[in-house]
Amino acid sequence: DTGVSQDPRHKITKRGQNVTFRCDPISEHNRLYWYRQTLGQGPEFLTYFQNEAQLEKSRLLSDRFSAERPKGSFSTLEIQRTEQGDSAMYLCASSLIATIPNEQFFGPGTRLTVL
Amino acid sequence: AQKVTQAQTEISVVEKEDVTLDCVYETRDTTYYLFWYKQPPSGELVFLIRRNSFDEQNEISGRYSWNFQKSTSSFNFTITASQVVDSAVYFCALIEGNDSNYQLIWGAGTKLIIKP
Repeated sequence: DTGVSQDPRHKITKRGQNVTFRCDPISEHNRLYWYRQTLGQGPEFLTYFQNEAQLEKSRLLSDRFSAERPKGSFSTLEIQRTEQGDSAMYLCASSLIATIPNEQFFGPGTRLTVL
Repeated sequence: AQKVTQAQTEISVVEKEDVTLDCVYETRDTTYYLFWYKQPPSGELVFLIRRNSFDEQNEISGRYSWNFQKSTSSFNFTITASQVVDSAVYFCALIEGNDSNYQLIWGAGTKLIIKP
């Protein structure tokens, strides 16, 4: 399977716990995006990487959210001290950088439930 | 400010009917890119089309067609002879040309229900 993969697909956690999600992009894609999607809404941009550089992170929802892409391949999104409001679908997408925006290929998402 | 509006929250039609999903956008840029994505019940967003602001030619792909009208800032999507498998949430999105982040600005989506 050469698509974008995300792990885990579902995560249930208690309020206050830390969670980490992983995204494996399409191998030759140099851009990787993280989004959050709540019910009945479109995806909400969080952050993105070009290779290993995090070029935009001002849209991360709070300082409890952080993301890494240490070797320019897979990425992780961590949420510390989770709150019930963090319950959502977290989506990862990847694309090839070009002079015009290419399509972003999305993974299946990680559904987070905070109890 | 940039914005994408999908006024139809939910549409329900009987199979084989034609259906049009509306998308209206706002941007100050003269260069921009419009997208449609499909999100079936499985949850994975699937790319359908990209259109740039300089290309107003309408596009047809099988049962799918797109009508881009700059004069009304609209990029509507029509499914002809709908099928049950078309049931999904459809999102319209925008990237502004001066945004090197290529950040997608999404509409709220239209849930399409095709009844057999």
